[in-house]
Amino acid sequence: ELKVEQNPLFLSMQEGKNYTIYCNYSTTSDRLYWYRQDPGKSLESLFVLLSNGAVKQEGRLMASLDTKARLSTLHITAAVHDLSATYFCAVGGTNAGKSTFGDGTTLTVKP
Amino acid sequence: GAVVSQHPSWVICKSGTSVKIECRSLDFQATTMFWYRQFPKQSLMLMATSNEGSKATYEQGVEKDKFLINHASLTLSTLTVTSAHPEDSSFYICSARDMKGGSEQYFGPGTRLTVT
Repeated sequence: ELKVEQNPLFLSMQEGKNYTIYCNYSTTSDRLYWYRQDPGKSLESLFVLLSNGAVKQEGRLMASLDTKARLSTLHITAAVHDLSATYFCAVGGTNAGKSTFGDGTTLTVKP
Repeated sequence: GAVVSQHPSWVICKSGTSVKIECRSLDFQATTMFWYRQFPKQSLMLMATSNEGSKATYEQGVEKDKFLINHASLTLSTLTVTSAHPEDSSFYICSARDMKGGSEQYFGPGTRLTVT
């Protein structure tokens, strides 16, 4: 059974600081997703990572994937308040099968 | 871009009644749709995988007779919560994959169900 672990689960950081959220998974997969969820809202897709060594960046967020280590990271650079949200990683099954979600990381960026 | 809608966005119903939630892919066709449930401050829990023209595949522990899923067309899947109870109150989210392929799941905006 595929297990996905995120850490930390809660993160409080100051504006302007950098931090990394980690996503470990237990079995081989060919796709890794990062999503953002604001309170009371559904999921917003951030990144799709499909190969070992993949790195994608959008604004202050950068995601990477190491399939050998079964690890993905979401790096936050110079955080701003608008980044406050819950971030989920999800690991996809093969052949576009179902995805398994991590528990989420609730990020609070303080002025 | 790919858009998925859900209706209703919120619903309040009385215990014992049934509620139907619709999930539509607006600008693409989806052979596969997924239904999730999310309790407050928790992650998404996959309930079932819905395949057009065939029976849904339910995850372990999800009662298929209570959560009826119908995927009658390439753009519509429905989830019916039968004989709802307060413990069924939750945020229900659907997602869909474009039948043309690709790796993305496109998520609907969610339906908040409150059973009184």
